[in-house]
Amino acid sequence: GQNIDQPTEMTATEGAIVQINCTYQTSGFNGLFWYQQHAGEAPTFLSYNVLDGLEEKGRFSSFLSRSKGYSYLLLKELQMKDSASYLCAVRVHSGNTPLVFGKGTRLSVIA
Amino acid sequence: DTGVSQNPRHKITKRGQNVTFRCDPISEHNRLYWYRQTLGQGPEFLTYFQNEAQLEKSRLLSDRFSAERPKGSFSTLEIQRTEQGDSAMYLCASSPTSGGARNEQFFGPGTRLTVL
Repeated sequence: GQNIDQPTEMTATEGAIVQINCTYQTSGFNGLFWYQQHAGEAPTFLSYNVLDGLEEKGRFSSFLSRSKGYSYLLLKELQMKDSASYLCAVRVHSGNTPLVFGKGTRLSVIA
Repeated sequence: DTGVSQNPRHKITKRGQNVTFRCDPISEHNRLYWYRQTLGQGPEFLTYFQNEAQLEKSRLLSDRFSAERPKGSFSTLEIQRTEQGDSAMYLCASSPTSGGARNEQFFGPGTRLTVL
C-alpha cells in the first residue's frame, strides 16, 4: 500500500514562516509534488522534487530527502491569501503517471 | 487557452440515477486523469488516458463507473445507479508528455456531485 502522512491542520501568523512536513512510504518513487488548494477550488501546482535537496521558488521552498522518505514545504512572509490546504503527493511510477496524495494540511494564517 | 474545464460544476441527483461529467483538457495535452476528492481528504486516482487509450483504472472504480476519451480530446465519466457514497468532488487533470511542463498535472475546477 501507499502511505503519505502530513499534519491535518496548522496555524501561523501573517509575516511569519511555516514549515509543512510530509513523510511517505510508497512502493516506488518518481517525484514528490506539493499542491495548494483553496476551499472549493482545484489544486494548483507549487513544486516538484525528484532529487534530494531544496528547491526555491519565490516565497515557497520545498525540500526532499529520499533516504528518509521525507519532504517539507516552507512558506515565508506569510500572507492571508496563503490560507489554504497544502497537498503532498508522490508519483510512484515513471512517466507522467497518476499521483498518490496525502490528506492535505489545512493552513490558517492569522493576523 | 483557458485551462482544464469541467461541466457541470455542480450536480445533484437522486440515488439510483445515472450521471455523466465532461472534462475538456488543455489542448495538446496527451494525458488526462480523473480523481475523486471527499471532504478533508486528498484526491484519489480513478483512471487515466493517453490520447484515447485508457491506461489504468483504480480498484476504487467499481463496475458502475466508466470513462471514455473517444477522440483523444475531451473525456466523460459516467456513474450508473448512483449511491450516496458517490457524493464527492470529481476532478479532472491533464498533462503533456513532453516539454517543460511534463511533470505537472493541471487540474480543472471539478464537478461536485451530491447524491440524495
